[in-house]
Amino acid sequence: DAKTTQPTSMDCAEGRAANLPCNHSTISGNEYVYWYRQIHSQGPQYIIHGLKNNETNEMASLIITEDRKSSTLILPHATLRDTAVYYCIVRGLYNNNDMRFGAGTRLTVKP
Amino acid sequence: DARVTQTPRHKVTEMGQEVTMRCQPILGHNTVFWYRQTMMQGLELLAYFRNRAPLDDSGMPKDRFSAEMPDATLATLKIQPSEPRDSAVYFCASGLGSGGARRETQYFGPGTRLLVL
Repeated sequence: DAKTTQPTSMDCAEGRAANLPCNHSTISGNEYVYWYRQIHSQGPQYIIHGLKNNETNEMASLIITEDRKSSTLILPHATLRDTAVYYCIVRGLYNNNDMRFGAGTRLTVKP
Repeated sequence: DARVTQTPRHKVTEMGQEVTMRCQPILGHNTVFWYRQTMMQGLELLAYFRNRAPLDDSGMPKDRFSAEMPDATLATLKIQPSEPRDSAVYFCASGLGSGGARRETQYFGPGTRLLVL
């Protein structure tokens, strides 16, 4: 039970922003939202995580709604190398060593 | 650039043979995870260790799978005897867990692709 819902696939034009949504309506107050991605034939790669405030790092931005029931991962200038499956995961305080990956969103960046 | 390393990267074996997969976590990380990924099931957690002690292996078939950490720099996952349904990609990940409120990030290795014929 991944506790998150994501679209199966999305396309994005190269150079444009990719906005990947995630619903986590049952998230509890002490659970964080994590994003990972997996490029074909590689291991999952950490992108970003947050609790309730918006977060930004060198890879992406994470926007979490005020009620925390959904979030959006933003890749500001998508490149062809960003083509991957993106996983949104919620992790609890006392289950902080377990991540349940759902099916994720397959993002295809097109030239 | 610190990375999790896994060996072998690919393994083809026959049913009934023993398979041993190895993982070297990032130096200084105290938590190690084993995952299995298949097309049908996606990514599943098999087991994880903290400070070399097994904390949870409920996701692992006990009759044929075993996971150990002989020392802080090596984690192993063994399958004996192997079966065709064990064919999958096995990922190791490591993190720095404090046991408290901090939620560590997991860093994944490149995986071992296992094919059991």
